[in-house]
Amino acid sequence: GIQVEQSPPDLILQEGANSTLRCNFSDSVNNLQWFHQNPWGQLINLFYIPSGTKQNGRLSATTVATERYSLLYISSSQTTDSGVYFCAVELELVFGKGTKLTVNP
Amino acid sequence: EAGVAQSPRYKIIEKRQSVAFWCNPISGHATLYWYQQILGQGPKLLIQFQNNGVVDDSQLPKDRFSAERLKGVDSTLKIQPAKLEDSAVYLCASSSLGAYNEQFFGPGTRLTVL
Repeated sequence: GIQVEQSPPDLILQEGANSTLRCNFSDSVNNLQWFHQNPWGQLINLFYIPSGTKQNGRLSATTVATERYSLLYISSSQTTDSGVYFCAVELELVFGKGTKLTVNP
Repeated sequence: EAGVAQSPRYKIIEKRQSVAFWCNPISGHATLYWYQQILGQGPKLLIQFQNNGVVDDSQLPKDRFSAERLKGVDSTLKIQPAKLEDSAVYLCASSSLGAYNEQFFGPGTRLTVL
């Protein structure tokens, strides 16, 4: 089956810093979503982005389907951005292991 | 628009007992999914329904897990008998039919098996 790798596994930032999270996948995909799992376990939809670029406030994402990767950009990070960020692909959502982000005040 | 609802939010049982989880998807969403998330890992699909039919249950441990969606709306997932390794968060998600298949997740049920 398709493999999804996320990097880095852990990331610690100071409030206000910018960051880039990466998601590589082993085969072509028709569906890709980015999620933020908050400390209470809720998976929050960030982007549905099988290709192209989208922006939502301080967050943006780019998927280059032909090169099998997606990037999530977080600018001017805030403590509330802390949590685990997951990339998931395909209709049945195969998840990566996530990037655990900690933003310190 | 109401989101995906799940209950209970937490459940603690002894091994070999039975447990059931309930999910009500977003209104109008034909496709419903159950995922298992073990601590420190990403969610893993257990079963996918489209309306009241099973699309994919290849990763469902059928000797102890069962799921149904009889009327094509809400769904139940059952574990009988539970094992220690079943301790996890069970997430339900739903999506609409068509080319745009974004999935939306419920808050999950955290199961602890002692």
